[in-house]
Amino acid sequence: DSGVTQTPKHLITATGQRVTLRCSPRSGDLSVYWYQQSLDQGLQFLIQYYNGEERAKGNILERFSAQQFPDLHSELNLSSLELGDSALYFCASSVAPHPGQGAYGYTFGSGTRLTVV
Amino acid sequence: AQTVTQSQPEMSVQEAETVTLSCTYDTSESDYYLFWYKQPPSRQMILVIRQEAYKQQNATENRFSVNFQKAAKSFSLKISDSQLGDAAMYFCAYRSGGGGSQGNLIFGKGTKLSVKP
Repeated sequence: DSGVTQTPKHLITATGQRVTLRCSPRSGDLSVYWYQQSLDQGLQFLIQYYNGEERAKGNILERFSAQQFPDLHSELNLSSLELGDSALYFCASSVAPHPGQGAYGYTFGSGTRLTVV
Repeated sequence: AQTVTQSQPEMSVQEAETVTLSCTYDTSESDYYLFWYKQPPSRQMILVIRQEAYKQQNATENRFSVNFQKAAKSFSLKISDSQLGDAAMYFCAYRSGGGGSQGNLIFGKGTKLSVKP
């Protein structure tokens, strides 16, 4: 157990639907990162939050949004789902507000497998 | 923009033997960090080893070591005394020493390592 909890582990939904993925960071970590892992695109950075505020954005679609709550858990909302959104979505956390502080990688959760049918 | 290239989609090694996974990266920065992550069939992303660019000494973690060639922008992973549990996808990752989106992990496409008994 890495200490980063992601729910649900699996999600199957239809095109056009909306889903919410949840992430609880490791205790003491203030930063949360979301990554998408698909077969053709590999691991892509989506978005980062630090202590409730958006810190950095990557290749996140406008149909996707995220937020981090006062208790530091984060949710990734995916709407108007398309077949191509099927992927493994990872959450990771770190203690630092930005990765430049310290030579530490992130602690990853076990991911949510999203299948859009 | 920084890129990470893993030129070996698949590798195979005999149990107890040594294998080296290749990674090259492209950057104009002088301050950065490099990582190797392991993703077993469980999908969990596990940090294997990390290297700070300013350190000349190659990082070592038990049976795992790196060959960091800064001028050549090469960061290979050597696994000694390979074990069946080493079978996994291995991802090389780069992170800028700065903050913001530049500080997030940039991954290679991965190398699938098989270990033969």
